[in-house]
Amino acid sequence: QLQLQESGPGLVKPSETLSLSCTVSGGSISTSTNFWGWIRQTPGKGLEWIGSIYNSGSTYYNPSLKSRVTISVDTPKNQFSLRLTSVTAADTAVYYCGRHVDSGSFYPLDYWGQGTLVTVSS
Amino acid sequence: DIQLTQSPSFLSASVGDRVTFTCRASQVFSSSLAWYQQKPGKAPKLLIYPASTLQSGVPSRFSGRGSGTEFTLTISSLQPEDFATYYCQQLNSYPYTFGQGTKLQIK
Repeated sequence: QLQLQESGPGLVKPSETLSLSCTVSGGSISTSTNFWGWIRQTPGKGLEWIGSIYNSGSTYYNPSLKSRVTISVDTPKNQFSLRLTSVTAADTAVYYCGRHVDSGSFYPLDYWGQGTLVTVSS
Repeated sequence: DIQLTQSPSFLSASVGDRVTFTCRASQVFSSSLAWYQQKPGKAPKLLIYPASTLQSGVPSRFSGRGSGTEFTLTISSLQPEDFATYYCQQLNSYPYTFGQGTKLQIK
């Protein structure tokens, strides 16, 4: 059974960088054509797709965050990571990592981490 | 960006009821739509994709249909464990977007 687990600081100061990792267990992060993504959720904006990364290293980001986001993969550690720079209070959210499953030119998120609350505050 | 609007935002219903949620898109796309269920404090759970195929393990009382700009999720006979918030997500084009959700409450 595949499991994903987010980790990282729960509190980040304004203007600093938010860094989270997602550890994948029960399967290899480099398996076939699945790929990996980050999503966040706030009471005000609901669920927001942040970006995704393919095993090839190709990334796709939400244009609303693109200038501040970097997603990367560490295959030996079976992890992928999120960096979000210059955070503000508006970046306070529950952050989820997830797996986009290859279902034939269509890639829903079939496995999710439990989510981690990140608060931006001084 | 493809905007998704879910209706209603809130729905009160009783165990055994049949309920239908709607997800309307701002532009036409194929059936690249997924439905998720989320319970408080938990991650969303994939129910249906693309538009009408049940994820493994999802009860058959859930069904989805639609194409173009209108998609629906129906629960044929509500069970106590179905009271949750439901989201649609389009995976037709980047940026992937979610609807704002429909919260299903017990009447």
